[in-house]
Amino acid sequence: KQEVTQIPAALSVPEGENLVLNCSFTDSAIYNLQWFRQDPGKGLTSLLLIQSSQREQTSGRLNASLDKSSGRSTLYIAASQPGDSATYLCAGSSSGGYQKVTFGTGTKLQVIP
Amino acid sequence: DTGVSQDPRHKITKRGQNVTFRCDPISEHNRLYWYRQTLGQGPEFLTYFQNEAQLEKSRLLSDRFSAERPKGSFSTLEIQRTEQGDSAMYLCASSGRDATDTQYFGPGTRLTVL
Repeated sequence: KQEVTQIPAALSVPEGENLVLNCSFTDSAIYNLQWFRQDPGKGLTSLLLIQSSQREQTSGRLNASLDKSSGRSTLYIAASQPGDSATYLCAGSSSGGYQKVTFGTGTKLQVIP
Repeated sequence: DTGVSQDPRHKITKRGQNVTFRCDPISEHNRLYWYRQTLGQGPEFLTYFQNEAQLEKSRLLSDRFSAERPKGSFSTLEIQRTEQGDSAMYLCASSGRDATDTQYFGPGTRLTVL
């Protein structure tokens, strides 16, 4: 059974700082890993998806990496802005016929102006 | 088509009442998922449809819960005899025919059971 853990649960940084969010998973037979953003009381917005054959994906100021052997993924946010304040969730998909997704509990990020 | 939509966005009900939520996926997506999220937790998988077939149900989905996707388009999630523990955000997501496609989430329905 896949288990996904995110540490820390909360993070506060000053504006402009580069930061790394961590995600670990127990089942290395992961199909893909996604990073999502969730604003308070809202649904999830997909940020990046890394397939099991890939090692990283980039979108703007965001870079996500995947290391299946160590069971870890990181989300790097460059030059953080107050608008980046949100909860960031990582989710691992199992291999097989469909994407059964297991979410972590999230890291709540606050970027202070 | 602008994305996954869910209705209603908020629902307040009294314990023991039945409630029904609707999800409209992205039109070309054949896969549809329901999740439940409680405060401070990540979403938990409830059930999955491929077209109109319900292919998997979580053990979280007790007998009081039923989900349908009658024509392979929109889906409904019904909770009978609601309990206070059912209070949560119910999220719907859809994805395309390729299993590598990302899941696109709707805004969710927040249920409060008094």
